[in-house]
Amino acid sequence: KNEVEQSPQNLTAQEGEFITINCSYSVGISALHWLQQHPGGGIVSLFMLSSGKKKHGRLIATINIQEKHSSLHITASHPRDSAVYICAVRGHNYGQNFVFGPGTRLSVLP
Amino acid sequence: DSGVTQTPKHLITATGQRVTLRCSPRSGDLSVYWYQQSLDQGLQFLIQYYNGEERAKGNILERFSAQQFPDLHSELNLSSLELGDSALYFCASSVAQGVDSPLHFGNGTRLTVT
Repeated sequence: KNEVEQSPQNLTAQEGEFITINCSYSVGISALHWLQQHPGGGIVSLFMLSSGKKKHGRLIATINIQEKHSSLHITASHPRDSAVYICAVRGHNYGQNFVFGPGTRLSVLP
Repeated sequence: DSGVTQTPKHLITATGQRVTLRCSPRSGDLSVYWYQQSLDQGLQFLIQYYNGEERAKGNILERFSAQQFPDLHSELNLSSLELGDSALYFCASSVAQGVDSPLHFGNGTRLTVT
């Protein structure tokens, strides 16, 4: 069993749809990051969470520490949101490295 | 623009060769991380440096080594290259070494070993 799992693996949506990507992890963590990787390969850090909820524009990220689960929501999706979304977690221990989820490939059609 | 600079952008080399990848962190960031992303493995953490000292080690092969210099730039050295080393290599930086610092990624170096 992978330490970090994401669902769905692939997602195709129509422009304007509300999108949810899920991340589940099996270890105790200190922080969870959501990353966006564009088709060209570049990676952008979207959110860093240790509790609760964060919002940035049309993106919302939530985390439930007790249930070891996080969600990334995209409201009013747009073709430019097409990318791979990666969940990454970091454990409690100082210096413990990041463990990455396999990514969710999102395609938003116009 | 994340402020993290990686060079070169692309690198094509032959098996058995040695290459050096370079990373300049965002101004003010003391931590540098190296990651490998291959098609079949996804993103894998290789190594972290903080202010010149190694802080954490992940799935880094013995043929690979890294260092962070006094000016905080970092280099990842890959030697005795194999076909399976072909991948995207990312550098990221953060201001602190702890778990609650946001990461800033470079655009990556695409290494092709032929």
